[in-house]
Amino acid sequence: GEDVEQSLFLSVREGDSSVINCTYTDSSSTYLYWYKQEPGAGLQLLTYIFSNMDMKQDQRLTVLLNKKDKHLSLRIADTQTGDSAIYFCAERRPDSSYKLIFGSGTRLLVRP
Amino acid sequence: GAGVSQSPSNKVTEKGKDVELRCDPISGHTALYWYRQRLGQGLEFLIYFQGNSAPDKSGLPSDRFSAERTGESVSTLTIQRTQQEDSAVYLCASSSKGGSGEKLFFGSGTQLSVL
Repeated sequence: GEDVEQSLFLSVREGDSSVINCTYTDSSSTYLYWYKQEPGAGLQLLTYIFSNMDMKQDQRLTVLLNKKDKHLSLRIADTQTGDSAIYFCAERRPDSSYKLIFGSGTRLLVRP
Repeated sequence: GAGVSQSPSNKVTEKGKDVELRCDPISGHTALYWYRQRLGQGLEFLIYFQGNSAPDKSGLPSDRFSAERTGESVSTLTIQRTQQEDSAVYLCASSSKGGSGEKLFFGSGTQLSVL
């Protein structure tokens, strides 16, 4: 399809792991990103992965990339209430050197 | 400045009026982007400026939309004869260089409501 797809909502208990999934559109996309948006704020880059990698870990964040299935996931270990936000995945397609194509965002709610 | 600054943070206007949205990028950032975020949707690319190159306006939805940027500083996005479907959050982002892999820094956005 043409759209970057994400599930709309995820609810987890504090201390559990969260996994947010994304399906992107172009297997040739060079970079894939995860952005976080807190209420009333702009988007903040969390992490990104280059397409020749299949995993990247950064503290509590683990990004997994399955190029064959065009599937990207973000795992947050030991989820905290401060992690409650909307998470957007985005891809940079090879036909554009700068435009990011964003998904609709997954709202993560962390219950105490 | 310390971050990307956008003004106003909220704008309510009547259908048919013109509006102007402002973005102050991070000092020294040569690339500047405008995105639109409709309620419950992802970000829609509008326009991209890189240094003194001609801007990429391919994402502007109609000729009612225009944007300018003077050098590597402030950018303004103008929407003429606003329509209700223009209601959205308009986000500006800047980066230190255009191209693949660089980090975009986003402003907090302007929430535009067209009545």
